[in-house]
Amino acid sequence: DTGVSQDPRHKITKRGQNVTFRCDPISEHNRLYWYRQTLGQGPEFLTYFQNEAQLEKSRLLSDRFSAERPKGSFSTLEIQRTEQGDSAMYLCASSLSLLTDTQYFGPGTRLTVL
Amino acid sequence: GDSVTQMEGPVTLSEEAFLTINCTYTATGYPSLFWYVQYPGEGLQLLLKATKADDKGSNKGFEATYRKETTSFHLEKGSVQVSDSAVYFCALSNVNGQNFVFGPGTRLSVLP
Repeated sequence: DTGVSQDPRHKITKRGQNVTFRCDPISEHNRLYWYRQTLGQGPEFLTYFQNEAQLEKSRLLSDRFSAERPKGSFSTLEIQRTEQGDSAMYLCASSLSLLTDTQYFGPGTRLTVL
Repeated sequence: GDSVTQMEGPVTLSEEAFLTINCTYTATGYPSLFWYVQYPGEGLQLLLKATKADDKGSNKGFEATYRKETTSFHLEKGSVQVSDSAVYFCALSNVNGQNFVFGPGTRLSVLP
């Protein structure tokens, strides 16, 4: 099964540190999405890529957040100078080319900022 | 901006009971509508979707009809099973808005 994978699954860090998460989408999928989910809430859209181009960024994505998708394959999400409010589950999803196409979600990376 | 509202949970039902989980949306244009499900310990997965008004999505005995006049996409199942216990998320995608918006989720527990 070559679904969406994310690494690491769990990350504990101290406030002020930088963290980077990786997402490997399903190989033939052009679109890749990042979401943040806090306890008891639905996923909140952060950003998405069409191939290597970052096409939209949510207002939630402050200057401390940056995402890349070099060569349109895997993607990384970096958070600089982490804050306790960044503690959440970070989800990655991938899909074919249309907004109506099914998004396939990875297992997520749970970030805890102490 | 675009938004999705779901009935608050948790919802607790006995096996074989009828299920309705209400979902209404606010969006510009003509969004596509989705129900995603998250089973305990698993990732989100698509349950069903509808891409235009009056479309009915269905899967695993669940159904939802895209009602543009009432801006709703209620999830229904005629006879729930214990294995349907999960969190259900209503969502929309819209090229005119915030791209992809999820509701807060409704937790369903089905008792034997």
